[in-house]
Amino acid sequence: KQEVTQIPAALSVPEGENLVLNCSFTDSAIYNLQWFRQDPGKGLTSLLLIQSSQREQTSGRLNASLDKSSGRSTLYIAASQPGDSATYLCAVGSSNTGKLIFGQGTTLQVKP
Amino acid sequence: NAGVTQTPKFQVLKTGQSMTLQCAQDMNHEYMSWYRQDPGMGLRLIHYSVGAGITDQGEVPNGYNVSRSTTEDFPLRLLSAAPSQTSVYFCASSPTPPWGSRAKNIQYFGAGTRLSVL
Repeated sequence: KQEVTQIPAALSVPEGENLVLNCSFTDSAIYNLQWFRQDPGKGLTSLLLIQSSQREQTSGRLNASLDKSSGRSTLYIAASQPGDSATYLCAVGSSNTGKLIFGQGTTLQVKP
Repeated sequence: NAGVTQTPKFQVLKTGQSMTLQCAQDMNHEYMSWYRQDPGMGLRLIHYSVGAGITDQGEVPNGYNVSRSTTEDFPLRLLSAAPSQTSVYFCASSPTPPWGSRAKNIQYFGAGTRLSVL
């Protein structure tokens, strides 16, 4: 059974710091891995999608990497800003179950 | 540019009551899904649809029904509400299933419905 884990559950950093959010998954049979952002009381916003054949994707200050063999993905946020404060969720598109499986999320606070 | 619209935003039910959570999208997406989000558990898939007239079960379908009579609408019905169904419910849509090899980074979520069952 595919399980997706995000550690830590919460993270607080000062503004301007570069930071890494971690996502691990137990089954390497995936189609893709996705990162989402969720603001308090709001729905999810898609950030990045990495196909299983890719190693990384970039969008602005965000860079996501994928290592299928080790079951890990990282989301790198450069020069963090208070506006980056949100919960970040990763999800894997499982080729065994045909479902999108979510992690529990990491809640990020960037302090001015 | 409405995107995915969910109604109501908040709802309180008594145990045993039934209700329908509405979801509508105006992007002509074939794929729609319902998730529930509980503290510390991420999002879990309840039901999904790959097109009008086609629905299937997700991870946690018990106690919920869906139908897809049009491309735009995908309502979620709670048959007999239970306290265990207290949660935040999200509807999502995308042009293709988000888990597959043709998935694109174009998945839209509604703002959610916060449901409490007493």
